Order: sequence, then C-alpha cells, then structure tokens
Amino acid sequence: GEDVEQSLFLSVREGDSSVINCTYTDSSSTYLYWYKQEPGAGLQLLTYIFSNMDMKQDQRLTVLLNKKDKHLSLRIADTQTGDSAIYFCAEKGSNTGKLIFGQGTTLQVKP
Amino acid sequence: GAGVSQSPSNKVTEKGKDVELRCDPISGHTALYWYRQSLGQGLEFLIYFQGNSAPDKSGLPSDRFSAERTGGSVSTLTIQRTQQEDSAVYLCASSSSPGTGFEQFFGPGTRLTVL
Repeated sequence: GEDVEQSLFLSVREGDSSVINCTYTDSSSTYLYWYKQEPGAGLQLLTYIFSNMDMKQDQRLTVLLNKKDKHLSLRIADTQTGDSAIYFCAEKGSNTGKLIFGQGTTLQVKP
Repeated sequence: GAGVSQSPSNKVTEKGKDVELRCDPISGHTALYWYRQSLGQGLEFLIYFQGNSAPDKSGLPSDRFSAERTGGSVSTLTIQRTQQEDSAVYLCASSSSPGTGFEQFFGPGTRLTVL
C-alpha cells in the first residue's frame, strides 16, 4: 500500500540551511506536498510539486523531487527561529483526492 | 475569515459513548476530507467526499466510524461506542478540486479524549 516516511527530528542553528527528507512508495503519485504545523496551529500548505517536475523554488524554499528513487526533499535557506515547527510530507495518487502523510519531521532551530 | 471551522474544539467522553464531530468547509469547496492525528500513527486519512459521488471510505478504521455530508456542505463524523484508542485530533479539510494540486485547507481540529 501507500507509505510515506520521514525522519522524526532535525536540529539546526539559525542562519543555516535545513534539509528535510521524505520517501514514498506510490509510483502513481501525481502531486507531492509539504505542510507546516506550528504548536497550537492548524496545518498550513508550504508548497507542492507536480510529479513531472524535478525542482521548485519559492523564496527560501526549494523542493527537489527524484521520481526514480521516490525521494522528496525540502530545503529551507537561512533558517529562522520562526521556522521551528513540524513539517509533513504528503503525496496524492492519481484518481483520488486523499493525501497520504508522513509522520512529520520536527525542526528545531537554535539561536 | 471564511476558513474551515470545526466543532467542538475539545471533546472528552467516556469509553462506550457515541460522539459527533462537525466540520464546516469553505463555502464553494466541493471536496471535504477527514483525517486524524494521533501519537504513534501520525496523520491518517479517514474519508473524503467529492460532490455527489460516493465517498471514499477506505481510511475508516472500523465500522464504528461513519460520516455524512449534508447538502454538499457541512459534514459530521460519528464515532460509536468510543474506545480509548480513538483519542486523537480529528482534522477536517476542504478543497475546490481534488483532481489537481489544489490546496486542501485544514480546520483547527477537534481534540477527542476517551477516558
């Protein structure tokens, strides 16, 4: 069945780059997403990438997709303390609207 | 703002009782989704509704769980005979079109605690 895996924790220093990795199993995935969840807040979409793209850049965020290896990454440049949150990777297969989420990566940014 | 709203925000119940959780999607959104977030299980898909089509119930964990969407808008998730393992945050989301990369907008969730 579909599965999405992420590492659970990442700690970086303010100003460094953060890279959060994700792997998925569904070869029919059409869209892949990164959501952010801050303490006490709801899930917020950060960015998404269509499966025929390799890369997408949006200000400090860079998403890389290796479809052959089913590997997705999110790079946050110049990480700030306000970036501390849980980051969820999710995939959407073809012919469905449902999202399959990873376990979430807690990003800790130290000043 | 006209975001996704959910009620109640918190619900504490006793094992064996039934509960109903409500979701008001963004006006005009045709698709509505239920997920739950629990320790150890992460974020799990439960069910989704798209227009007048039959809902995708493939994520419902047992027949104690059911959901309805009335008039293509408000949805109610019902859990019968609640168990302690049902304790979780239940999240509702809506989108304007599920067949594309259109964003799913999430509500704040209902935290369910089963004693």
